[in-house]
Amino acid sequence: LAKTTQPISMDSYEGQEVNITCSHNNIATNDYITWYQQFPSQGPRFIIQGYKTKVTNEVASLFIPADRKSSTLSLPRVSLSDTAVYYCLVGDIMDTGRRALTFGSGTRLQVQP
Amino acid sequence: DTGVSQDPRHKITKRGQNVTFRCDPISEHNRLYWYRQTLGQGPEFLTYFQNEAQLEKSRLLSDRFSAERPKGSFSTLEIQRTEQGDSAMYLCASSSGTPSLNTEAFFGQGTRLTVV
Repeated sequence: LAKTTQPISMDSYEGQEVNITCSHNNIATNDYITWYQQFPSQGPRFIIQGYKTKVTNEVASLFIPADRKSSTLSLPRVSLSDTAVYYCLVGDIMDTGRRALTFGSGTRLQVQP
Repeated sequence: DTGVSQDPRHKITKRGQNVTFRCDPISEHNRLYWYRQTLGQGPEFLTYFQNEAQLEKSRLLSDRFSAERPKGSFSTLEIQRTEQGDSAMYLCASSSGTPSLNTEAFFGQGTRLTVV
């Protein structure tokens, strides 16, 4: 059963780089690693997705080591508006044997001025 | 607005009543998901559709819950005989492309249900 483990919370200051690491020891061979961001009273929003090595887009970078048992979301120069909950997702096996995306408890990032 | 739309945004109901929520996915998205989220927790998977076929249902989806997606477009989630434990945010998401988990899912704003 694929499962992710993330720190419950993190604190940072504006302008700093924030790295959130997620462990997923049982990730399936064909699974990607996807990160979502969620603000209070809103639905989650896709941030970035990767399979291996490094992926970068306009908002974040994702580092994935060769064994793919963990991944690190990197947010450069955070601002107050980055205060949110961040979720790391991989596929999870359902009773039918099919896979579905399931969320863990996420990491609450608090950015201070 | 061409994003995922959910209606209503808020619903207050008395225990024992039935409620129905609607989700309009992004046009032509063939996958549609329902999640439930309680305060301080991550979204919990409930069910998903590939077009009109309901392919997966979580154990969380008791007999009081039913979801449909007629014609593979909008979807409804009905809860019968609501209980106070059903109070939560119900989130809908949709995605496109091949049947794969590795496709970005777009979430709606959710429907917040309060059972009193």
